[in-house]
Amino acid sequence: GEDVEQSLFLSVREGDSSVINCTYTDSSSTYLYWYKQEPGAGLQLLTYIFSNMDMKQDQRLTVLLNKKDKHLSLRIADTQTGDSAIYFCAESLGNMDMGRRALTFGSGTRLQVQP
Amino acid sequence: DAGVTQSPTHLIKTRGQQVTLRCSPISGHKSVSWYQQVLGQGPQFIFQYYEKEERGRGNFPDRFSARQFPNYSSELNVNALLLGDSALYLCASSSVGTGGGVRNYGYTFGSGTRLTVV
Repeated sequence: GEDVEQSLFLSVREGDSSVINCTYTDSSSTYLYWYKQEPGAGLQLLTYIFSNMDMKQDQRLTVLLNKKDKHLSLRIADTQTGDSAIYFCAESLGNMDMGRRALTFGSGTRLQVQP
Repeated sequence: DAGVTQSPTHLIKTRGQQVTLRCSPISGHKSVSWYQQVLGQGPQFIFQYYEKEERGRGNFPDRFSARQFPNYSSELNVNALLLGDSALYLCASSSVGTGGGVRNYGYTFGSGTRLTVV
């Protein structure tokens, strides 16, 4: 079955790097995503990675994928107080055909950035 | 460009009542998905529609139903509301299958409808 797991909480100081980890169980995952949710808001897509990639960098964000261990991480460089939010890892299953790629989310990691 | 819009933003209903939530996708997006997010948890998949047809259904009871209209907007209906249905209901749209760059495989979420059942 599908299961995505994340640690619940991470606290860092402003300016440090944050690393949020995620493990997933379904090896047929095609895409893996990181979403950010601020209080009272919807989900904001931060970045994504294809399952045939090992790493993706996008400004302050670096995503690392270890397919063998089914481990995904999100590194935020120079973390700012505005990065405080809940971060969700999600995987997209099913085939590549239209409309059959529901997202399975983890429970989220709450990132607290201390000034 | 307007993002994904959902209405209403907040709603309070009584147990046993019925509720309809609405979603308008990003212009040009033909796929709409619905998710339920209970407080403290990640979103759970409810339905996905593409070109007005149901393309996926999560593990939710038959009290939950949805439809997609010719303009690609969507409604989620929940009958016989239970206290446990209290949650943030999120709608996501994507441009699945319409070509273009890899960004098309992402889902854009609305701000959600917060439903409280009392």
